[in-house]
Amino acid sequence: DTAVSQTPKYLVTQMGNDKSIKCEQNLGHDTMYWYKQDSKKFLKIMFSYNNKELIINETVPNRFSPKSPDKAHLNLHINSLELGDSAVYFCASSPASDPTQYFGPGTRLTVL
Amino acid sequence: AQSVSQHNHHVILSEAASLELGCNYSYGGTVNLFWYVQYPGQHLQLLLKYFSGDPLVKGIKGFEAEFIKSKFSFNLRKPSVQWSDTAEYFCALGGATNKLIFGTGTLLAVQP
Repeated sequence: DTAVSQTPKYLVTQMGNDKSIKCEQNLGHDTMYWYKQDSKKFLKIMFSYNNKELIINETVPNRFSPKSPDKAHLNLHINSLELGDSAVYFCASSPASDPTQYFGPGTRLTVL
Repeated sequence: AQSVSQHNHHVILSEAASLELGCNYSYGGTVNLFWYVQYPGQHLQLLLKYFSGDPLVKGIKGFEAEFIKSKFSFNLRKPSVQWSDTAEYFCALGGATNKLIFGTGTLLAVQP
């Protein structure tokens, strides 16, 4: 009965590659988010989608492209990976009437 | 601009000691405040939240927090910590938009 799930859990890749991270929530929530947690554990929002529509884009390089095929899924595609992209990426979701966000298990991305 | 400050970056306590972690926020509008916990290698879990009403909110695992509007604070407390409380604790602010602004986190180490 996983609420917010992400795949893969770990991702190790070379600089310059393109990779995707997938997120799915079975909570029936309308809004989904991507956060980046850096090596100092600082969490910062990247994107937010509401019912498949982009509502928050926090000055993230355009190498990062979110895509929401339906309101239960929010994927993150990253082009031309750089060393500085190494981080843990968390997906989250929240219901329409409540700002509480529920987080996925995270994807640890390591760029070599 | 919205911001969250957590002044205690690293706290070390012995089991059964009392805990108070500081959180101050900056925002002029109606606030939603959260405390999340991240156990080693795991995702963020919601401890408690405040939207309105009674400023003393109780959460899971014996944690509570008090919203003091005049001090722009939302400190987290627990009367007696256990070794299993060792984790990173994040205070977060939700304002007018859906995004959460996180503090830099406090790493709590409880010694048996």
